[in-house]
Parts: sequence; structure tokens; C-alpha cells
Amino acid sequence: EAQVTQNPRYLITVTGKKLTVTCSQNMNHEYMSWYRQDPGLGLRQIYYSMNVEVTDKGDVPEGYKVSRKEKRNFPLILESPSPNQTSLYFCASSLSMWRLGTEAFFGQGTRLTVV
Amino acid sequence: QKEVEQNSGPLSVPEGAIASLNCTYSDRVSQSFFWYRQYSGKSPELIMSIYSNGDKEDGRFTAQLNKASQYVSLLIRDSQPSDSATYLCAVTGGGNKLTFGTGTQLKVEL
Repeated sequence: EAQVTQNPRYLITVTGKKLTVTCSQNMNHEYMSWYRQDPGLGLRQIYYSMNVEVTDKGDVPEGYKVSRKEKRNFPLILESPSPNQTSLYFCASSLSMWRLGTEAFFGQGTRLTVV
Repeated sequence: QKEVEQNSGPLSVPEGAIASLNCTYSDRVSQSFFWYRQYSGKSPELIMSIYSNGDKEDGRFTAQLNKASQYVSLLIRDSQPSDSATYLCAVTGGGNKLTFGTGTQLKVEL
């Protein structure tokens, strides 16, 4: 089954404790991205990756890191989480951003609470 | 000006009616347009995509695109309570990203 898998689904952590949210897709998609979703602000892109070893900042990259060592995986790293990073996070993948019809497939979401 | 704008709603329609959702975008080079449905706390799911001017129908859903006026709309015929959700408009084109509107909340009332 074609899917994007995020883990964990729910996470409560304390300020400053490094964490990683994993994302994996099995569709051989080139393009992967991370979004956060907050009430009234919609989905905002954090980072994206056009392909292996190619990553770039989205609209709200501060406080986050990513890596793309393999095509299928795109982890999101919070080196020192803060309460303003409490949010619902989604990983998404697309065949490519350069072709028409490249709709995004979303993971199940990770609800992160930083206390 | 936001890149993709939607009325946040809520838009309330009676069961069986037509729901009309609208979206405007600012980037004239935008090429691909999508409507996603999102239930509370769940991930967005694609329901319609449209790439050229005009209408595209899929079951009870019709997407309409007018590039000259830079708007895209979604019509839901015979609205059902299960259609109650937030509908996200998304646009790709210039730049390396899929840009989302903030969504319109639809409530279908019995």
C-alpha cells in the first residue's frame, strides 16, 4: 500500500530535550516536505527536499533541522524544542514539484506538545 | 496579500444542498490546483485536482478554475453530514512548494 508513515503520532516532551520525528514513504517520490498546522494559520511549510541530499527552508524553518540521506526518509529534528513549537506536524511527499499533477500525499500527523 | 486565500467560514448548508467553496491565489504562474479535505485532527486527503481553465467533475464534486481571475472553486452537490470538514485549497507553480490556504470549514446540517 502506498503510504507516508510518520512516528510518533503523539509526543509530549520538555523544553530543550532534542527529539526526532521520522517520516518514510514507499512511493519512490522525489519531493518530501514538512508542515506544521496551527489554528488560524493553516499549513505552513517548514522544510522541503527536492531529492536526496537536497534540502531547503520553507516558510517557518527556525528551530528545525532536516536531513535526506535516503530517498524514502526525511526526518524532522528539533534540537532544542520550545513551547512555541507545540503543533500538529505533517510530512508529505510528491512525485516531483516540477510536473503537473504532483499532488502531495500526507502522513498521519504527529501531535507534539512541548512543556 | 496572502498567496492563497480562503474564507475561513464556517459555511453552513442544509443536507442535500450545494456547497460552494472559493479560493483565490496571487501567483499568476501557478499551474496546479488542488482541493484537500481535512477532518479535525486528521491528515489532509486529496479530493480534486485541476490544471486547466473550466470545470472538472468527479462524482458529487466539481472543481472550477479561472486563471484570468485567479480563482478556483469547489462545488459539492447533494451535501451530506459526512462532508462536514475543513477544505483546503492548494496551489503549485512558481517556487518549490505547494502553498495552502487556511481552509474553509464546512458544516452540513441535518
